[in-house]
Amino acid sequence: DAKTTQPTSMDCAEGRAANLPCNHSTISGNEYVYWYRQIHSQGPQYIIHGLKNNETNEMASLIITEDRKSSTLILPHATLRDTAVYYCIVRPGGATNKLIFGTGTLLAVQP
Amino acid sequence: DSGVTQTPKHLITATGQRVTLRCSPRSGDLSVYWYQQSLDQGLQFLIQYYNGEERAKGNILERFSAQQFPDLHSELNLSSLELGDSALYFCASSALAGGASYEQYFGPGTRLTVT
Repeated sequence: DAKTTQPTSMDCAEGRAANLPCNHSTISGNEYVYWYRQIHSQGPQYIIHGLKNNETNEMASLIITEDRKSSTLILPHATLRDTAVYYCIVRPGGATNKLIFGTGTLLAVQP
Repeated sequence: DSGVTQTPKHLITATGQRVTLRCSPRSGDLSVYWYQQSLDQGLQFLIQYYNGEERAKGNILERFSAQQFPDLHSELNLSSLELGDSALYFCASSALAGGASYEQYFGPGTRLTVT
């Protein structure tokens, strides 16, 4: 599975957009980019995923660069409840959906 | 609420003992995953079952075993417990075993403390 690199931590002001970057320079053609988050020892929560195109859902937007070597998760209007560790995971569309978690980015939303 | 349930929420036991963690997947999901989260190792994939059969294995110790029953619930058995087994254990489920775009839904976890 391709390795991902994320900043250890980021701050964001409440109400502002939070932009969380992820590098996955070794990603291959059949690998998807997934984002999950974990709020203080709760079970990880699925946010969004994509292959090539940008994606948007009710929680966030995912922007994937044309060469697919990096992506950005955007939370359009961050709230205090968005404070969490955000994990960027690259996963092939194969026989198993197992997730390999890295260390993630701790996003702290400040009032 | 993800729809995945795990019992018990907390478990405190002594070294050398054996415990069983239980997971019920979301209604309709056929695949179950187990993950371990400890302070020094982060979130690690342990094992996956699909419709009763083992599908993938991660860094699961030989002292640990799992199974998925015909009603699709799963149990993770941890034996000869050591202090280092203290961790949060998460179960997750998904509709299918693999494929392109099936997200996993995680339960609230079981916190195991070995004293």
